[in-house]
Amino acid sequence: EPEVTQTPSHQVTQMGQEVILRCVPISNHLYFYWYRQILGQKVEFLVSFYNNEISEKSEIFDDQFSVERPDGSNFTLKIRSTKLEDSAMYFCASSGRLVGETQYFGPGTRLLVL
Amino acid sequence: QKEVEQNSGPLSVPEGAIASLNCTYSDRGSQSFFWYRQYSGKSPELIMSIYSNGDKEDGRFTAQLNKASQYVSLLIRDSQPSDSATYLCAVSDNQGGKLIFGQGTELSVKP
Repeated sequence: EPEVTQTPSHQVTQMGQEVILRCVPISNHLYFYWYRQILGQKVEFLVSFYNNEISEKSEIFDDQFSVERPDGSNFTLKIRSTKLEDSAMYFCASSGRLVGETQYFGPGTRLLVL
Repeated sequence: QKEVEQNSGPLSVPEGAIASLNCTYSDRGSQSFFWYRQYSGKSPELIMSIYSNGDKEDGRFTAQLNKASQYVSLLIRDSQPSDSATYLCAVSDNQGGKLIFGQGTELSVKP
């Protein structure tokens, strides 16, 4: 069964460093998303991506964040200068050909900023 | 601010009982509704999707949607200890497709 994959599973970084989180969505999906979940809190939407551009972003997704689909299979989230409060679980999700279809989540990357 | 509300629990039921999980949402424009299960430290896993008013059954799970009351529920019949997890209600307005999640209800099924 196709699934969303994410790498790395864990990332520890120093405050101010850049991190890139990688995702491989399900191959025939067209909509891609990043969410994050701070420990003990709800899952929060960061950004959606369709047709090679951002379709929506949340207030959390400020200038420190960027997304890219560099090669038609990978979907990346970059945090340019990490802050302590960026420590969270980051989930990539993808969905099919229609907006509002079921989103399938990857296993997540646990990011710890020291 | 679009909100999705759930009782955080924990909801404790004995094995074999019916577990009832509830969710309300604030945006009347919401079109797609989902229940995900999340084990501690893991990612959300889809249980059910529902798009129109009424009931939708899948095995031991039944989702119920009432758009007039802005209410979604999930019933789990014959609850098993392996059902113990946090259940997340998520809602989409179908514009950008983003999901708005509730806080989740922690379910504990006691043998």
